[in-house]
Amino acid sequence: KAGVTQTPRYLIKTRGQQVTLSCSPISGHRSVSWYQQTPGQGLQFLFEYFSETQRNKGNFPGRFSGRQFSNSRSEMNVSTLELGDSALYLCASSLTLPGQALNSYNSPLHFGNGTRLTVT
Amino acid sequence: GIQVEQSPPDLILQEGANSTLRCNFSDSVNNLQWFHQNPWGQLINLFYIPSGTKQNGRLSATTVATERYSLLYISSSQTTDSGVYFCAVERSQFYFGTGTSLTVIP
Repeated sequence: KAGVTQTPRYLIKTRGQQVTLSCSPISGHRSVSWYQQTPGQGLQFLFEYFSETQRNKGNFPGRFSGRQFSNSRSEMNVSTLELGDSALYLCASSLTLPGQALNSYNSPLHFGNGTRLTVT
Repeated sequence: GIQVEQSPPDLILQEGANSTLRCNFSDSVNNLQWFHQNPWGQLINLFYIPSGTKQNGRLSATTVATERYSLLYISSSQTTDSGVYFCAVERSQFYFGTGTSLTVIP
C-alpha cells in the first residue's frame, strides 16, 4: 500500500508570493491533517479535513488555507508569503477523525515526507 | 491547548545501551502516539497508545492516562535509532512535545 505522498519535496519562493502544497493520503484514509515544523516553534497543527470539510483549525493567520477533494487528496495554500513561513510542512492521514469519542475507531497518524519551503 | 513536555531534551548513548524517554501532558486526552523523526525528516509512527503497554521489538511504551504521562523504552540501542522522538497527544487536534534528540554512537 502506498504511503502518504506530498509534493513537491522542496520549494523556494519569494516574499509576497503564494504557494500550494499537495498531499495524497493512504488509500482508504479520509482524515488529512497538516502541520508546520520549525526549529523555533516545533510541530504545530495547521488544520484538518475529513470528507471535504475542515473540522479543526490551528492558531495560524488566514493566509494559511486548505481544502480536501472528494478523493481525500488535500492541498494547502499560503498566500503573501513571509520569511517566517519557511518551514517543513507535513501532511498526515489516518483512518479516523481525531476527536472522535469512540477510541476503538482511532488509529495511528501516518506522515508524508514533507515539503520543505524556503521563503527568500 | 494541552502542554506536552518531553524529557530529556537530548540523549547520547553508546550502542547497546538502554534508555527511557518520558512524556508528560497537562490534561486528559483521547489518544497518545509516539513518533521517530529520522535525519531526513520522515516521521514514523512507533506506537498508538492511549493507555496500557505495548511492545514492538526493542521498543516498548507505557501510558498511564490517569497520571498524564507516557514512557518510551528503547533497549539494546542501535545507531539507526538516532533521531528525534516525539510524543503527540490528541484532543480534537494533535499537540506535539518538543522532542528528545537521541544520538547513538558506535
